[in-house]
Amino acid sequence: GAGVSQTPSNKVTEKGKYVELRCDPISGHTALYWYRQSLGQGPEFLIYFQGTGAADDSGLPNDRFFAVRPEGSVSTLKIQRTERGDSAVYLCASSELAGGTYEQYFGPGTRLTVT
Amino acid sequence: GQNIDQPTEMTATEGAIVQINCTYQTSGFNGLFWYQQHAGEAPTFLSYNVLDGLEEKGRFSSFLSRSKGYSYLLLKELQMKDSASYLCAALSGGSYIPTFGRGTSLIVHP
Repeated sequence: GAGVSQTPSNKVTEKGKYVELRCDPISGHTALYWYRQSLGQGPEFLIYFQGTGAADDSGLPNDRFFAVRPEGSVSTLKIQRTERGDSAVYLCASSELAGGTYEQYFGPGTRLTVT
Repeated sequence: GQNIDQPTEMTATEGAIVQINCTYQTSGFNGLFWYQQHAGEAPTFLSYNVLDGLEEKGRFSSFLSRSKGYSYLLLKELQMKDSASYLCAALSGGSYIPTFGRGTSLIVHP
């Protein structure tokens, strides 16, 4: 079956621009996570959705970052006024049930480069 | 806060056995995950332990000691395709968010 998909796979943008990264989770999965991963590091938590609501957004680094999941399926991570330090691979993951103890299925990621 | 510690890099020979260790400090504890991540690809789930002991799954086994805040991933009969980063992630009590370590890069050579 279809796994988690993310678009675009690569995004190059200039400093100061706005970007949107999209995640299509596995159909029916309740929980959705966004992470970002820099080279040589593990995934760093950004935000967690249960259904449509952001249950935990404590990982968002500042107010330039925002994410939505309006219908409880597709999610969009939005970054305003991008900075070079935002360059990383942004990973999305979903799990069948909420609760944290369930296996997460990761998408292939979006590599964001801010020049 | 949480702290996850694992070695940065390990090398091993094809056909051998390797043990990748992970120590963690969390506020409460609700389980530990291991994920495999090949270069440029998404992490994929290997195991989840919440009780003490060893869980075996084919060539891969995962061990947990809650009292010691310690886990290891054991890979047997290593194959070249096992060259990857292995991520340890701990779940604090009452949290839905696993905290990932930086990963251990395993290089398997002939």
